[in-house]
Amino acid sequence: RKEVEQDPGPFNVPEGATVAFNCTYSNSASQSFFWYRQDCRKEPKLLMSVYSSGNEDGRFTAQLNRASQYISLLIRDSKLSDSATYLCVVRPTDSWGKLQFGAGTQVVVTP
Amino acid sequence: EADIYQTPRYLVIGTGKKITLECSQTMGHDKMYWYQQDPGMELHLIHYSYGVNSTEKGDLSSESTVSRIRTEHFPLTLESARPSHTSQYLCASSELTGGSSGANVLTFGAGSRLTVL
Repeated sequence: RKEVEQDPGPFNVPEGATVAFNCTYSNSASQSFFWYRQDCRKEPKLLMSVYSSGNEDGRFTAQLNRASQYISLLIRDSKLSDSATYLCVVRPTDSWGKLQFGAGTQVVVTP
Repeated sequence: EADIYQTPRYLVIGTGKKITLECSQTMGHDKMYWYQQDPGMELHLIHYSYGVNSTEKGDLSSESTVSRIRTEHFPLTLESARPSHTSQYLCASSELTGGSSGANVLTFGAGSRLTVL
């Protein structure tokens, strides 16, 4: 079983719509959670950290559910520029600094 | 503008050749990493370093080697390239400490796409 699992998608979303997707992690002791964004054939870039109480950054909302061991990302009012692969990243407490990456969820925003 | 640079961006090379992928960062970060990523797949950590003269193997077995003689420089070497080494190699760096942020925020280079014929 993979440490971090994501639905690969693609999620095809009309421009202006809302899309949400989850990521599950296997290590219940994991402490830190992040969403990175990776455009096609580009490097990953940090989108946002995920805090225990949930957090927002503009049109993006991240949630953490420790009981069910998943994090979620919601994108409101989708823009064409939101088309990308979204990587779920987890830091287990027993491997300081060694982040675990999911394979990513592809989002395609269409006009 | 990039703060972490990788060269070459693209390399097509024959089997058996020795190659070195270069990675340099200007942020003064202590930690540096090499990841391997195939299309549609997750990043796999192959090497990392906590600072000068520190190198560790990552989670994915790799025939490559790394060195860290200077803080800003973390080259990866394949002594004898094989077709199975065809992949994208991503270099990254982060701060050493900062439990909730610094050490967890990776800055990636643009990647080196290697094709071994």
